[in-house]
Amino acid sequence: EADIYQTPRYLVIGTGKKITLECSQTMGHDKMYWYQQDPGMELHLIHYSYGVNSTEKGDLSSESTVSRIRTEHFPLTLESARPSHTSQYLCASSSPGTLNNEQFFGPGTRLTVL
Amino acid sequence: AQSVSQHNHHVILSEAASLELGCNYSYGGTVNLFWYVQYPGQHLQLLLKYFSGDPLVKGIKGFEAEFIKSKFSFNLRKPSVQWSDTAEYFCAVNSLDATNKLIFGTGTLLAVQP
Repeated sequence: EADIYQTPRYLVIGTGKKITLECSQTMGHDKMYWYQQDPGMELHLIHYSYGVNSTEKGDLSSESTVSRIRTEHFPLTLESARPSHTSQYLCASSSPGTLNNEQFFGPGTRLTVL
Repeated sequence: AQSVSQHNHHVILSEAASLELGCNYSYGGTVNLFWYVQYPGQHLQLLLKYFSGDPLVKGIKGFEAEFIKSKFSFNLRKPSVQWSDTAEYFCAVNSLDATNKLIFGTGTLLAVQP
């Protein structure tokens, strides 16, 4: 079944740890996105990718990095987690072609850094 | 820069009451508009979208939204809510650049009392 997956769903980790949030989609979408959402706030784009080997920074500055080695996989990495990174991270993808494309979202990863 | 405003942060209704959630956007040119919904513990999913044509858009689960260009608005409506409509609702607009990113409002948390 075509879908978009994120793991882990919840992560509680100590300061200074390296973490990778996984995102995979089975829809063959070229464009993928990472959004960050703090409680009670809007989603902000932090990274996006047009396709394999393409990664760009989004509107909201983030210390995280991303990679896109395979079409279906768009992991996000924090080299050294800090309490300020506590947030929800949502991955999304959209179909290729025109700009008028729906984005499909994963279930999100709720990250807490102690 | 484009922005989206949602005026109601929390809404509490009784079942069978009518719903209208406000959404205004800042850009005066051609826009694509969306309403997303996130039920407790579930993915963010598309409720309805407007690209062009009939400004009254019908979505899933009896929801509709009206695009009023002169008011820069895209309000969400449902004539009679159910307990199962309890969720968070996000209005979003497509960016006008090649990223196809979504610009979100802060969301409205709707609680429907049985």
